[in-house]
Amino acid sequence: QSVLTQPPSVSGAPGQRVTISCTGSSSNIGAGHDVHWYQQLPGTAPKVLIYSNTNRPSGVPDRFSGSKSGTSASLAITGLQAEDEADYFCQSYDRSLSASVFGGGTKLTVL
Amino acid sequence: EVQLVESGGGLVQPGGSLRLSCAASGFTLSNYWMYWVRQAPGKGLVWVSRISTDGSSTNYADSVKGRFTIARDNAKNTLYLQMNSLRAEDTAVYYCVRADKGLDYWGQGTLVTVSS
Repeated sequence: QSVLTQPPSVSGAPGQRVTISCTGSSSNIGAGHDVHWYQQLPGTAPKVLIYSNTNRPSGVPDRFSGSKSGTSASLAITGLQAEDEADYFCQSYDRSLSASVFGGGTKLTVL
Repeated sequence: EVQLVESGGGLVQPGGSLRLSCAASGFTLSNYWMYWVRQAPGKGLVWVSRISTDGSSTNYADSVKGRFTIARDNAKNTLYLQMNSLRAEDTAVYYCVRADKGLDYWGQGTLVTVSS
């Protein structure tokens, strides 16, 4: 049971928009700790997609965007492409656990 | 180019020990907090431990506290994870990760298998 809750899977057709939620609590996201998002393509190491809630590292397409509100955060992907098919993880810090925490991951399928 | 290269993984019996190393290049290791993150086969990411820039502050996940020790040698550009009293549930790919804007650089990972 992960401290941050993500849907196990989402799907969308090419060109569509999908969102992935990350639900936490008052001891992590709700406490003001930043949320980061990672993409893991099959057989590879994760890669940072969004850092500090809304920021994109250089090289990440602007089709990817992040938002945060209250005890939750979301990753939105617009103009879905086949190469977006991957696992996505959110990450934050939990002050009660004094630990960095990850969501359980969401598998994105491009139909 | 930033590179993180892990080594030291392998097959170990329950109760055994392993020391993972992570060779850093392309940046000044002493400027960054460093993390170990693991991923069991077919499972999600799990934070294991982190260490401050000078090694004076360390944190551990409850599941490894008292068994694992994180350390760094900035002069050698190397991060370590000493793993003792290994259990089957420690079986995973272990990633060495730099922390800056999120966890911004990841190694390729090294597989640790705990089995008799």
